[in-house]
Amino acid sequence: QVQLQESGPGLVKPSQTLSLTCTVSGGSTSSGGFYWSWIRQHPGKGLEWIGHISHSGSIYYSPSLKSRITIAVDTSKNQFSLKLSSVTAADTAVYYCARARGGSCGGDCYYYYGLNVWGQGTTVTVSS
Amino acid sequence: EIVLTQSPATLSLSPGERATLSCRASQSVSSYLAWYQQKPGQAPRLLIYDAFNRATGIPARFSGSGSGTDFTLTISSLEPEDFAVYYCQQRNNWPPLITFGQGTRLEIK
Repeated sequence: QVQLQESGPGLVKPSQTLSLTCTVSGGSTSSGGFYWSWIRQHPGKGLEWIGHISHSGSIYYSPSLKSRITIAVDTSKNQFSLKLSSVTAADTAVYYCARARGGSCGGDCYYYYGLNVWGQGTTVTVSS
Repeated sequence: EIVLTQSPATLSLSPGERATLSCRASQSVSSYLAWYQQKPGQAPRLLIYDAFNRATGIPARFSGSGSGTDFTLTISSLEPEDFAVYYCQQRNNWPPLITFGQGTRLEIK
């Protein structure tokens, strides 16, 4: 059974870069047919999709965060990561890593069957 | 960007009743819509994908319907554990971008 676990600092200073890692167990980040994803949830608010990366390295970001995000996968460590630069208090949230079944079916075609595995979430506070 | 609007914001019902939650898209998303359940302090759980397909292990009392811009999640007979927040989520035709609705809180009446 695949499990995901987020890790990283719980406190980040304004203007710095937030860095989180998601460690995958019971499965492989090099396996095809998945999107490795990041989602966040501001306190008391709804879910916000941040971005995802496929096993082949195709990366897609939320348009609203695109200028500040980097998502990468390290297959040797079976991890994927999120970096969010120039953080402000508005980036304070619970950050989840998750896995969606999906992938390319050629050209501008892909399938996506939802985020069916989630980490427990990690709270990140941006404050000086 | 496609916007998903969920209604009602809060739904108050009793165990055993039928729950109907709505999700409307600002433009057609075909059948590319999923539903999630989130309980306090927990990560969301996938219930339905591609509008009507139940995810693994999801009870049959949960069903999804709709296509285009209007979608519904129905819980046929509420169990005590069903009271939670429910989110819909769509994916673009291309590129593969994802958005969530703002959520519906299902509370015990």
